[in-house]
Amino acid sequence: GNSVTQMEGPVTLSEEAFLTINCTYTATGYPSLFWYVQYPGEGLQLLLKATKADDKGSNKGFEATYRKETTSFHLEKGSVQVSDSAVYFCALSSAGRRALTFGSGTRLQVQP
Amino acid sequence: EAGVTQSPTHLIKTRGQQATLRCSPISGHTSVYWYQQALGLGLQFLLWYDEGEERNRGNFPPRFSGRQFPNYSSELNVNALELEDSALYLCASSLGTSFNEQFFGPGTRLTVL
Repeated sequence: GNSVTQMEGPVTLSEEAFLTINCTYTATGYPSLFWYVQYPGEGLQLLLKATKADDKGSNKGFEATYRKETTSFHLEKGSVQVSDSAVYFCALSSAGRRALTFGSGTRLQVQP
Repeated sequence: EAGVTQSPTHLIKTRGQQATLRCSPISGHTSVYWYQQALGLGLQFLLWYDEGEERNRGNFPPRFSGRQFPNYSSELNVNALELEDSALYLCASSLGTSFNEQFFGPGTRLTVL
């Protein structure tokens, strides 16, 4: 079956530091990959997506590249801000099933 | 454009009661999904409705059920509530075609006492 593995949190960084949150997946076929973000007290917001191998999703300075050879979709940002503090979820959706399979989430805390 | 809306925001029930949660998708979206976000268990897929039909179901007991109405809004019913049903229930919607991203509502916080 499908599964998503994310690095354990919390991740604590200083403002302007470089961010990487690792995500690897197991799926049949060619899934679509997503990063969602959940700010405190809110629902999930789609951050970025990639639907095929070598696609790069990007939004708000965040990037992730769909690597089929390593089954990975790592999230990166060159310079984090305090406002980026949130929980980040990696997820996949495969043909036919449509339901999103989520990783366990990684809490990011950015300190001024 | 209005996003996905859910009601109520909070719901408090006692064990054994029934809970009904409601979701209105983004206009034009025909698919509605329900997820449970329980503390320590992450986000788990519950149900997927499309065009009024249940299309897929996660690994939850039958006391979790729902329906989708002709206007594509949806209702999640949880019967015989148990303490471990306490969670944030998130609804999402998407266009009917495959691989479209799901847009989430703010959730309903269900507390079972």
